[in-house]
Amino acid sequence: QSALTQPASVSGSPGQSITISCTGTSSDVGIYNSVSWYQQHPGKAPKLMISDVSYRSSGVSNRFSGSKSGNTASLTISGLQAEDEADYYCSSYTSRSTVIFGGGTKLTVL
Amino acid sequence: EVQLVESGGGLVQPGGSLRLSCAASGFTFSSYWMNWVRQAPGKGLEWVANIKQDGSEKYYVDSVKGRFTISRDNARNSLYLQMNSLRAEDTALYYCARDGSGYYEAMFDYWGQGSLVTVSS
Repeated sequence: QSALTQPASVSGSPGQSITISCTGTSSDVGIYNSVSWYQQHPGKAPKLMISDVSYRSSGVSNRFSGSKSGNTASLTISGLQAEDEADYYCSSYTSRSTVIFGGGTKLTVL
Repeated sequence: EVQLVESGGGLVQPGGSLRLSCAASGFTFSSYWMNWVRQAPGKGLEWVANIKQDGSEKYYVDSVKGRFTISRDNARNSLYLQMNSLRAEDTALYYCARDGSGYYEAMFDYWGQGSLVTVSS
């Protein structure tokens, strides 16, 4: 099964908003709300940011929000800050009872 | 405080075997699905396998089926990954991760720091 499709990179200036897309199929993102987003800084373990499409994990800033339409989920970060610079991954439960990740998106804060 | 600590990684020749362990603490281990997720050097995350609370259900990514076996010992609060017939493409940092939902919702709320497996001759 191929990875969910994410843009390789996105960038934005401090204070701006960016959106990272995550496109799957009717066997994963399209039919399940078990979509999560993770932030990973270099050399660190991933951190759960969003689960179940749009639920922020405890302690995660409300600048982070998630949504889904059809086969595509999205992570929006508003009011970009330097500390948001990291790699971001989406994941989804699948109809084969497995989990699939996106290829990852490198966020650069200009 | 929830902690997941992996061990058992190392350098192994192609075709060899290795057993990873993950020691859990700070939560009721037997109440959660547990997972292994790997990350090849410079690459993205790849889910490897998971196991239900009582060990009655296990799922694997296609690329490791028949070679890797996930197991757990709830009395020891430990998760394991037995890796056989290792290939160069299995080289990665292997993370132990908890599914925080208590069900199988694929939301990994706690991760270990990883155990590096290198497959090379």
